[in-house]
Amino acid sequence: DTEVTQTPKHLVMGMTNKKSLKCEQHMGHRAMYWYKQKAKKPPELMFVYSYEKLSINESVPSRFSPECPNSSLLNLHLHALQPEDSALYLCASSQRVPYEQFFGPGTRLTVL
Amino acid sequence: AQRVTQPEKLLSVFKGAPVELKCNYSYSGSPELFWYVQYSRQRLQLLLRHISRESIKGFTADLNKGETSFHLKKPFAQEEDSSMYYCALSPQGGSEKLVFGKGTKLTVNP
Repeated sequence: DTEVTQTPKHLVMGMTNKKSLKCEQHMGHRAMYWYKQKAKKPPELMFVYSYEKLSINESVPSRFSPECPNSSLLNLHLHALQPEDSALYLCASSQRVPYEQFFGPGTRLTVL
Repeated sequence: AQRVTQPEKLLSVFKGAPVELKCNYSYSGSPELFWYVQYSRQRLQLLLRHISRESIKGFTADLNKGETSFHLKKPFAQEEDSSMYYCALSPQGGSEKLVFGKGTKLTVNP
């Protein structure tokens, strides 16, 4: 399996909802990433997990909470989001750094 | 601070013409440079990395440390090359962080 998978593909949520995004890879990669991408903009790094430990948090608001249950899984828990949080959320993984990052297809999130 | 600049937001060429997407970077050390491509409704994927010196889909890119550039070139553009291209930098020393440029949207006209 040489892909990063993300679920769900699309998510619509209200500002009071709690939801989670899931990312999975079975390539044995030890670094996993969350990015946020607005339309026609480059991805913006949110979090990096290295060997299942959070190594980078790019000053992301606490309404986004990452979790790495094991080396193959990465979750992003969402709570009390704002409409401006609507975006494509990308997950990526890499064998190590600075090797290439493999990206998932993304979750298109809409916050109403 | 590291910075990647792609001066052209939009680039339009005709099929069969040469194409060059510019990328300049700002970094005091020796970075790793990458080109990523994001086709419409497809995932972001690596096109090239400077360390491997390979040619993918006819594209090449050479790191010029003197000019701090990593321009992407193809001698004969094809319509299927139309896409969004991002230049990215990974700082020296094993940083996990990729710094992306703002991207260039390439359109290859028939």
